[in-house]
Amino acid sequence: EPEVTQTPSHQVTQMGQEVILRCVPISNHLYFYWYRQILGQKVEFLVSFYNNEISEKSEIFDDQFSVERPDGSNFTLKIRSTKLEDSAMYFCASSEILADEKLFFGSGTQLSVL
Amino acid sequence: GENVEQHPSTLSVQEGDSAVIKCTYSDSASNYFPWYKQELGKRPQLIIDIRSNVGEKKDQRIAVTLNKTAKHFSLHITETQPEDSAVYFCAASFQAGTALIFGKGTTLSVSS
Repeated sequence: EPEVTQTPSHQVTQMGQEVILRCVPISNHLYFYWYRQILGQKVEFLVSFYNNEISEKSEIFDDQFSVERPDGSNFTLKIRSTKLEDSAMYFCASSEILADEKLFFGSGTQLSVL
Repeated sequence: GENVEQHPSTLSVQEGDSAVIKCTYSDSASNYFPWYKQELGKRPQLIIDIRSNVGEKKDQRIAVTLNKTAKHFSLHITETQPEDSAVYFCAASFQAGTALIFGKGTTLSVSS
């Protein structure tokens, strides 16, 4: 069964450093998402991406965040200057277009900002 | 924007009992309501979903009901088993490509 893959599984960084989280969505999916989950809390929407542009973003997704689809397979989330409160599990997800909103989540990247 | 409330936050049942988790949503335009199961340290996995043109959907021991008038939907698990123990999240969205807004989750514990 096709899966969304994410790398790395764990990322430790110093406050103020830039991090890039990588995702490979399911190949025939056209909608891509980033969500995050702080330990023990709910899954929170960050951003959705379709047709090479952001279609929706949340209040969390401020100027420190950016997304990119640099090639036909990868989808990345960049945090320019990490803060302690950015520590969370970041999930990439993808879905097919139109009638099927079923989201398939990757296994996540645990980001720890020290 | 959409807001999803989920209750209870924790639920403990004996093996074989039924479990019911309830969610309410605020945006009457929402039309897609999935349920995700998340085991400890793992990704959320879709277990069942329902669209606003359907009142109930069942898949083996799992069922979801939707009341659009009252803006609430529920997950029903019958004949619970220890492997059903996990955190369950409800969510709602308006259309494909828009954000899924999640509830805060219910930790279900099934004891044998």
